[in-house]
Amino acid sequence: DSGVTQTPKHLITATGQRVTLRCSPRSGDLSVYWYQQSLDQGLQFLIQYYNGEERAKGNILERFSAQQFPDLHSELNLSSLELGDSALYFCASSVDTRQREQYFGPGTRLTVT
Amino acid sequence: DAKTTQPPSMDCAEGRAANLPCNHSTISGNEYVYWYRQIHSQGPQYIIHGLKNNETNEMASLIITEDRKSSTLILPHATLRDTAVYYCTPEIDSNYQLIWGAGTKLIIKP
Repeated sequence: DSGVTQTPKHLITATGQRVTLRCSPRSGDLSVYWYQQSLDQGLQFLIQYYNGEERAKGNILERFSAQQFPDLHSELNLSSLELGDSALYFCASSVDTRQREQYFGPGTRLTVT
Repeated sequence: DAKTTQPPSMDCAEGRAANLPCNHSTISGNEYVYWYRQIHSQGPQYIIHGLKNNETNEMASLIITEDRKSSTLILPHATLRDTAVYYCTPEIDSNYQLIWGAGTKLIIKP
């Protein structure tokens, strides 16, 4: 158990819909990262927050957005969903902003039908 | 930035040492080598990292060559639960984020 929690574990929705994925980092970690992993693909970095502020952006679509709240939990919002958005979405956390020792949650499996 | 190459797959017998190589021939002097693993569809798990000295923890050992152009992750007594994809991540992008390749799929056989 990494100490990072993600909800929900599974999500099935239709094209065009909007969903919100939630992540709670390990206790004491200030940085949260979001990754997307499509079937048989590698991890793609989406976005990073540190202590409530956006710190880095990766290959995140404009239809996707995220935020980190004062209690440090984070949400990833995916809108106008397409079939190609079906993937595993992982949240990770670390102590500080450039820490590459990251602890990953169990992921949310999103299926868009 | 380092160009990272790992074998796509490897087999190892249960109870034997699993040695996973990684080539990072253009790694810069101040980039650490991080290793993670991902057991089928679970979240990646941090294993170990190092800069130039060999490192050991409760999970594995990391051997980095003196020229830092390659490293080897060693699982000393592999078990079936070590079957996973192992990622060597010495590269970072302009946002200081880890760059994840395809990794090595390690299969531990009974």
